[in-house]
Amino acid sequence: EAQVTQNPRYLITVTGKKLTVTCSQNMNHEYMSWYRQDPGLGLRQIYYSMNVEVTDKGDVPEGYKVSRKEKRNFPLILESPSPNQTSLYFCASSLQGTNTEAFFGQGTRLTVV
Amino acid sequence: QKEVEQDPGPLSVPEGAIVSLNCTYSNSAFQYFMWYRQYSRKGPELLMYTYSSGNKEDGRFTAQVDKSSKYISLFIRDSQPSDSATYLCAMSPYSSASKIIFGSGTRLSIRP
Repeated sequence: EAQVTQNPRYLITVTGKKLTVTCSQNMNHEYMSWYRQDPGLGLRQIYYSMNVEVTDKGDVPEGYKVSRKEKRNFPLILESPSPNQTSLYFCASSLQGTNTEAFFGQGTRLTVV
Repeated sequence: QKEVEQDPGPLSVPEGAIVSLNCTYSNSAFQYFMWYRQYSRKGPELLMYTYSSGNKEDGRFTAQVDKSSKYISLFIRDSQPSDSATYLCAMSPYSSASKIIFGSGTRLSIRP
């Protein structure tokens, strides 16, 4: 089954404790991205990657890091989480080219206390 | 001003009604327009995709784009309770998915 898998689905952590949210896709997609979804603000792009070892900032990259060492994986790293990073996070993947359809994971609800 | 504006709702209509969902945008460079549906506790899934101006129909769903007015719409005919979800408009200036701007979403509820 074609899918984007995020882990964990739910996470509560404390301020300053480094964490990683994993994302994996099995569709051989070149493009992957991370979004955060907040009430009234919709989905905002954090980082995206056009292919292995190619990443770039989205609209809200502050406080986040990413890496793309393999095509299928695109982890999101919060080196020192803060309460304003409490949000619902989605990973998405898509093919390059004329199709802009993004396939989304199930989401990770992160709470930073 | 946000690049994409969408009424958050909630919008509640009886089963069988025609639903109209809308977004306005400010960036004239947008050429690719999408509607995503998001059920509670799930990730968004693509519903409709259109390029430039015009209409596109897929079953009970019709997407309209009016670039001159910077206005897009999604119509749902014969609405069903299973259509209850949040609908997100999205748009991009590029054919690739590198820059997609999402609206904040409209929460829709279809009453049986």
